[in-house]
Amino acid sequence: LAKTTQPISMDSYEGQEVNITCSHNNIATNDYITWYQQFPSQGPRFIIQGYKTKVTNEVASLFIPADRKSSTLSLPRVSLSDTAVYYCLVGDGNTDKLIFGTGTRLQVFP
Amino acid sequence: DGGITQSPKYLFRKEGQNVTLSCEQNLNHDAMYWYRQDPGQGLRLIYYSQIVNDFQKGDIAEGYSVSREKKESFPLTVTSAQKNPTAFYLCASSIDPDRHNEQFFGPGTRLTVL
Repeated sequence: LAKTTQPISMDSYEGQEVNITCSHNNIATNDYITWYQQFPSQGPRFIIQGYKTKVTNEVASLFIPADRKSSTLSLPRVSLSDTAVYYCLVGDGNTDKLIFGTGTRLQVFP
Repeated sequence: DGGITQSPKYLFRKEGQNVTLSCEQNLNHDAMYWYRQDPGQGLRLIYYSQIVNDFQKGDIAEGYSVSREKKESFPLTVTSAQKNPTAFYLCASSIDPDRHNEQFFGPGTRLTVL
């Protein structure tokens, strides 16, 4: 299966920009890269999705290089409420299955 | 108020008992999914259904069963054959089976087997 590697945890302070990277060495050619946010004891919530280059919405940006073997979720000016676990979701190039990454726990401090 | 609901939020069962987790959606979505989440880990797909009366195994289907008799309902049964059933179970739906569609998740059911 494709390995989707994310840093286990990250710390930040309010107002800073946070960049979380997901490495996916065998992503399916036609698949999008999707990011979800999860608070404790809740279901994940969709943040952003992209195929290549850059995508921006009202809460985040997603940067995808040309080889698509990684992606970076960028959260501008984080607040305490952004403390959560962030997951990337990609399709495996061999099995065509969608695979969630292991997640990055972001802690935002005042 | 549209959404996806799971019940109960917490469930305790004795080892060897079957247990059924409820998942209901009123979003008129065709596709529904069941995931398992263990502490500190990502989500793993158990079963999914693209349309009523049809479902497929995910990555970890052993010890689980599902049914999809109605569009809005996708119950999951955790059988006694599941060796380590204690986990957080998440149900999700998407508007259609296109794998690129956003998945909407329920609040989850935390199952503890004693």
